[in-house]
Amino acid sequence: GENVEQHPSTLSVQEGDSAVIKCTYSDSASNYFPWYKQELGKRPQLIIDIRSNVGEKKDQRIAVTLNKTAKHFSLHITETQPEDSAVYFCAAAFSGSARQLTFGSGTQLTVLP
Amino acid sequence: GAGVSQSPSNKVTEKGKDVELRCDPISGHTALYWYRQSLGQGLEFLIYFQGNSAPDKSGLPSDRFSAERTGGSVSTLTIQRTQQEDSAVYLCASLAQAAQNHYGYTFGSGTRLTVV
Repeated sequence: GENVEQHPSTLSVQEGDSAVIKCTYSDSASNYFPWYKQELGKRPQLIIDIRSNVGEKKDQRIAVTLNKTAKHFSLHITETQPEDSAVYFCAAAFSGSARQLTFGSGTQLTVLP
Repeated sequence: GAGVSQSPSNKVTEKGKDVELRCDPISGHTALYWYRQSLGQGLEFLIYFQGNSAPDKSGLPSDRFSAERTGGSVSTLTIQRTQQEDSAVYLCASLAQAAQNHYGYTFGSGTRLTVV
């Protein structure tokens, strides 16, 4: 089955700096890679996703890149703000069968004011 | 409903007791998933229901765990003879049928289970 590794487990950045979280996956059949943000005590919420037919996707201050050959993908947050502080989870799946997402172990991002 | 509803939001139970956790997915969503999130950990897959197909139970950690989905809608996760290591947040998520073009789960708020 799929295995997703996520690094780092914790990340602290100064407000305004950029943050990068990296994930690798094992199953070359995976073609869907979402990122979830989970604020303290709240449910995970989808913030951005990418499919294997594109290499990069942006949404305002958030971007995700995908390297299919190397089987890794990354989340980039620019101009970080205190409200970006949360746990971020990457995930991978083969979307053709609606099978379950395999999640990374999460990154606790802290944006220092 | 507008979102995925889970109940109870919090449950404290004594070791050895049975518990039932409920998930009410978004209306019309055919896929339903249960995940477990231990303190400071990632999301561990437990079980997956897709329409009328047999559920994928490959993530259930032991035979004390079971789940059912009645009428293709509400799901109940049952933990028998609870142990302290079962303490975690149990998250439910649902997904619309059109998995080819939209695959974002919608999560419920979870049930925080504490076994004392």
